[in-house]
Amino acid sequence: EIVLTQSPATLSLSPGERATLSCRAAQNINRFLHWYQQKPGQAPRLLIYDISNRATGVPARFSGSGSGTDFTLTISSLEPEDFAVYYCQQRTSWPTFGQGTKLEIK
Amino acid sequence: EGQLVESGGGLIQPGESLRLSCTASGFSVSDNVMNWVRQAPGKGLEWVSDIYPDGRTYYGGPAAGRFTISRDIPRNTLYLQMNSVRVEDTAVYYCARESMWKYDMWGPGTRVIVSS
Repeated sequence: EIVLTQSPATLSLSPGERATLSCRAAQNINRFLHWYQQKPGQAPRLLIYDISNRATGVPARFSGSGSGTDFTLTISSLEPEDFAVYYCQQRTSWPTFGQGTKLEIK
Repeated sequence: EGQLVESGGGLIQPGESLRLSCTASGFSVSDNVMNWVRQAPGKGLEWVSDIYPDGRTYYGGPAAGRFTISRDIPRNTLYLQMNSVRVEDTAVYYCARESMWKYDMWGPGTRVIVSS
């Protein structure tokens, strides 16, 4: 099982600011690193797949990057609807998720 | 594009059994890798099980030996048979379609509460 560690656990920012979320894998993983957004009471939603590809309908302010064991989700300028919990997930082996980063309004 | 809708959740006692269903529309469950993912209250996401188009099935640690994933192709429905449930199985259970190794479609979830 590949453990994914997300940081920070909570990120407090204001609308318009830039958000940088980290996901670190315990071992090298391939390109199957994805990011999901989850709002309270809702199912997760695919945001970024294969490290850096935006899913259908995802705004351009969301971007992903990284390789090997270190990956980043960046939101260039936060909109009110972006405040949510974000999970990374890998599919190199058995699927595992990070523990999540809660992005909250400062 | 299609959708997934889970059902079958509820309140059950430790040691009992429950079967969850996930009905798909707009695509065939037999043509895709279908998954169950759960989320305990206030916690993160945890993969439970998946089934491949060729029928192979896999289970995560908490599910192994107690849960069984299956599908009914004519009904286009995915199932999760949960036996010998434990308090720690309390969670919202989501079914998710896996396309090219990513979960591109999720159902709204069904809540399972295990309590005496």
